[in-house]
Amino acid sequence: DTAVSQTPKYLVTQMGNDKSIKCEQNLGHDTMYWYKQDSKKFLKIMFSYNNKELIINETVPNRFSPKSPDKAHLNLHINSLELGDSAVYFCASSPGGARTTDTQYFGPGTRLTVL
Amino acid sequence: AQKVTQAQTEISVVEKEDVTLDCVYETRDTTYYLFWYKQPPSGELVFLIRRNSFDEQNEISGRYSWNFQKSTSSFNFTITASQVVDSAVYFCALSEAATDSWGKLQFGAGTQVVVTP
Repeated sequence: DTAVSQTPKYLVTQMGNDKSIKCEQNLGHDTMYWYKQDSKKFLKIMFSYNNKELIINETVPNRFSPKSPDKAHLNLHINSLELGDSAVYFCASSPGGARTTDTQYFGPGTRLTVL
Repeated sequence: AQKVTQAQTEISVVEKEDVTLDCVYETRDTTYYLFWYKQPPSGELVFLIRRNSFDEQNEISGRYSWNFQKSTSSFNFTITASQVVDSAVYFCALSEAATDSWGKLQFGAGTQVVVTP
């Protein structure tokens, strides 16, 4: 009965590799998000999608590319991983349409470690 | 510029003590929403409360209570009779209805609460 799920939970990889994180929500929500939590626990939004359309695209290196195959899934692909990409990445979803202030419900997070 | 300030980095209390977490926000919007999330040691982010800018009524949910004061731009959170399970990082967040900020949760830096038996 998991609401927002992410895979994998942990990801350890070498610098320069390409990796993906997957997110799925079974809440029937229309909007999904990616947030990054750095080593000091600061949380910052990266992207949001509404019904497969990119809505928010913060100042994020273009090595990061979100993809939404349908409104229940939002994946994050990262090319040419760098040490500074090490962080916890959270997926979230909310019921509203584009540009909503609805409550966002978060997944369990994916801890990415780049060696 | 940081729009949500949580000045307390860490608060340590003994079980059964009350603890109040401060949150000060900054916005020019008249319509906005404030949130609190809990991040326990297991790492997930748990939603606690959402309040809109037009509702200044205080809210109580079990041992949790929230005090929203627009005059001081504050949305403080109190845990009454703390328990060890309350040990976590607590985040205050702001969501503005202005077009360029819509949909973004802007988080404070978080306050680590440590409750010892």
